[in-house]
Amino acid sequence: EIQLLESGGGLVQPGGSLRLSCAASGFSFSNYAMSWVRQAPGKGLEWVSAVVVSGGGTVYADSVQGRFTISRDNSRKMVFLQMNSLRVEDTAVYYCAKRMSTDFFFDYWGPGTVVTVAS
Amino acid sequence: QLVLTQSPSASASLGASIKLTCTLSSGRSSYAIAWYQQQPEKGPRYLMKVNSDGSLIKGDGIPDRFSGSSSGAERYLTISSLQSEDEAEYYCQTWDTGHWVFGGGTKLTVL
Repeated sequence: EIQLLESGGGLVQPGGSLRLSCAASGFSFSNYAMSWVRQAPGKGLEWVSAVVVSGGGTVYADSVQGRFTISRDNSRKMVFLQMNSLRVEDTAVYYCAKRMSTDFFFDYWGPGTVVTVAS
Repeated sequence: QLVLTQSPSASASLGASIKLTCTLSSGRSSYAIAWYQQQPEKGPRYLMKVNSDGSLIKGDGIPDRFSGSSSGAERYLTISSLQSEDEAEYYCQTWDTGHWVFGGGTKLTVL
């Protein structure tokens, strides 16, 4: 069974940092690109960042470019999101998502971790 | 700019059918999209990919009640024999030059 489990969310002050983790199981992790997607309270889904299988290629939404860094550790089957210079508008549930092998869609998602940026 | 447009809400009666629409912005009528279901307080669930020719790739365990189709720049999700657990938010999504785009979502109410 394919599973993704996010962790690392919490309450942080504006300007602070947080590191999210996503542990994967049930599939050959090193063969799949991964992404982070977030959902602000009462809002829709917003793609945040993506990393290729090797970890050598990353892309970011304009809203987080320069503040967030995605990475992965294939030996540990984990993907990370380092979030710096956090803003109130970064408050959201953050989901880890597995990309399909031959398409730009996400076939498995985690339950999410809540990030709250507030003073 | 790539934009996916969805109606904010829809409703239908238990046992009935409903067709949700996702509209691709101008010039993108060849794009495939994916449909996701998000039940309250849960992560999204992949339902299916819908190609411009109407062909589908459904996710694991998705019931036959869920189907998709396509016409021009519109992509559809049809749910038949509506059940109470189908009450959820439904999102469409696509991709273009390194960025993933989601529609605003349609909240489906089962009456």
